[in-house]
Amino acid sequence: ETVMTQSPATLSVSPGERATLSCRASQSVGNNLAWYQQKPGQAPRLLISGASTRATGIPARFSGSGSGTEFTLTISSLQSEDFAVYYCQQCNNWPPTFGGGTKVEIK
Amino acid sequence: EVQLVESGGGLVQPGGSLRLSCAASEFISATYYISWVRQAPGKGLEWVAKIKQDGSEKYYVDSVKGRFTISRDNAEKSVYLQMDSLRAEDTAVYYCATTLPFRPYDYWGQGTLVTVSS
Repeated sequence: ETVMTQSPATLSVSPGERATLSCRASQSVGNNLAWYQQKPGQAPRLLISGASTRATGIPARFSGSGSGTEFTLTISSLQSEDFAVYYCQQCNNWPPTFGGGTKVEIK
Repeated sequence: EVQLVESGGGLVQPGGSLRLSCAASEFISATYYISWVRQAPGKGLEWVAKIKQDGSEKYYVDSVKGRFTISRDNAEKSVYLQMDSLRAEDTAVYYCATTLPFRPYDYWGQGTLVTVSS
């Protein structure tokens, strides 16, 4: 199966600063890569599909990039509601697999 | 409105069974594959099973093959996960979510907690 590795595990950022999260695939997933945000006690929420397309209602401060095996989620200016855990997921190869997550916490 | 609502979770002894339900709005039921995705306490996300719109295709992660069965009743707009021979490592919040081939999970339910413990 395709192993998804996210880094760092924890990212400490001050409100208003930029956050850059990485996701690496053990084999090419093309651009079939999604990002999710999960807050405590809530279901994951789709942020980005197709590596770079924001889902409906997702603010423009969230952007995704990359293809093949290397992907990045950037939050341009962190708001208080953005502190959460972020997961990447590939839907190109069988079975679908998730990364281990990056926790974005307040610095 | 797009909506998924899970139910059926609870505490069960190792070796026991549970049946989870996912009630979907009519739009979802007719359009999407439905998957079950689980999350063990404090851990990440793991896809468990998937069923096509008409129930003709079913897929499972290796760790649940032969123990879990996914099914759907489109008349009832519901998807089910029958879980038998439960193990401690099946303890998790189980979410149902919509998907299509090569697509991520667009819509999620709120989840239902399954605890396998003696």
